Amino acid sequence: NAGVTQTPKFQVLKTGQSMTLQCAQDMNHEYMSWYRQDPGMGLRLIHYSVGAGITDQGEVPNGYNVSRSTTEDFPLRLLSAAPSQTSVYFCASALGPSGANVLTFGAGSRLTVL
Amino acid sequence: KQEVTQIPAALSVPEGENLVLNCSFTDSAIYNLQWFRQDPGKGLTSLLLIQSSQREQTSGRLNASLDKSSGRSTLYIAASQPGDSATYLCAVRPGANSKLTFGKGITLSVRP
Repeated sequence: NAGVTQTPKFQVLKTGQSMTLQCAQDMNHEYMSWYRQDPGMGLRLIHYSVGAGITDQGEVPNGYNVSRSTTEDFPLRLLSAAPSQTSVYFCASALGPSGANVLTFGAGSRLTVL
Repeated sequence: KQEVTQIPAALSVPEGENLVLNCSFTDSAIYNLQWFRQDPGKGLTSLLLIQSSQREQTSGRLNASLDKSSGRSTLYIAASQPGDSATYLCAVRPGANSKLTFGKGITLSVRP
């Protein structure tokens, strides 16, 4: 099925551990992004990419790294997890960076940092 | 800085009722506004997108209106059904190349 695929769906980490949240889309979308959703905070943009080899910071980038080596994949890396990074993470993609394009969201990855 | 507010945070209605979900934003200079639906444990699904030059958009039983001058948008759901139970979020894009600013959402429960 076409769409945005996120793995894993659930993950528990200890403080200081590292991990990568995977995101892949098969719609040939140029634009990809990562959000986190926290109770009472709404969705906040972490990082985004307007094409392979191009990434930029969003509203809350600290503690996260991204890369975009292919059009299809946009992994989010936590180098040293902290309890404040406990959240639900969503990857979203769009045909292009233009605001006229509708975002397609993945199902989310729920991360708990102990 | 653009702020998006959705009140109330939760709403419970009986099946069959027509209902209106409200969204307000602080800066009337917007490029477009989107309404999303989020089911528990799932991602967001785009419902309607209204460009700044438009007054409303319709899809099935859903109708979204936009009044930039007052900083408001409403999502009208006709003849609500239990399957409409979900969280509804609105998001505003200030400019063509700007990022979306999301509201916190309204959790709707439609009782059979």
